[in-house]
Amino acid sequence: DTGVSQDPRHKITKRGQNVTFRCDPISEHNRLYWYRQTLGQGPEFLTYFQNEAQLEKSRLLSDRFSAERPKGSFSTLEIQRTEQGDSAMYLCASSLGQPGQEAFFGQGTRLTVV
Amino acid sequence: DQQVKQNSPSLSVQEGRISILNCDYTNSMFDYFLWYKKYPAEGPTFLISISSIKDKNEDGRFTVFLNKSAKHLSLHIVPSQPGDSAVYFCASSAVHYNQGGKLIFGQGTELSVKP
Repeated sequence: DTGVSQDPRHKITKRGQNVTFRCDPISEHNRLYWYRQTLGQGPEFLTYFQNEAQLEKSRLLSDRFSAERPKGSFSTLEIQRTEQGDSAMYLCASSLGQPGQEAFFGQGTRLTVV
Repeated sequence: DQQVKQNSPSLSVQEGRISILNCDYTNSMFDYFLWYKKYPAEGPTFLISISSIKDKNEDGRFTVFLNKSAKHLSLHIVPSQPGDSAVYFCASSAVHYNQGGKLIFGQGTELSVKP
């Protein structure tokens, strides 16, 4: 296992289109997180899963955003009716879920909405 | 409301000298603190962490200091190397209050180590 994998690495889409990103966590990790990072800022928490259950969502996650982790393995993040303000780096991370256990990040998906 | 702040957007240090990166937080429930390093076009990479029950943690050239009363932590890199040039993020978590373990990140400090 080589770590957290995200696909695609880059996505350019027209405003109003739907996009979907995929994240494959480290295989034994039961927690999976989605973060968003814009230029000059640190990553901002969006949502997280404990196995297949989505346990917390940030207020940043509007109704146009939906995340799933159907079998507790990989996860998808879908953005419907994209807006220019959605342009950002979307980062996925996973962890073992033990207190104080660090999260390991993927390389991210860079979304550009034109 | 920026709960974790890194007030220095950039820092330039000579190779071999000490790099000190600072971070302040406001939430008293934070009990676990981490530093991540990020190169361009890559995701953040975990560097070092510290629990609130400690005031210092050391790993090779990297040492993190925690001052709970001041709600301040710092990362010391000694000696600094050109390969350390990256953006460094401070992150905090309230592990015992929020079992989810989500991280709250600062804005980052870009470190440049000059040969």
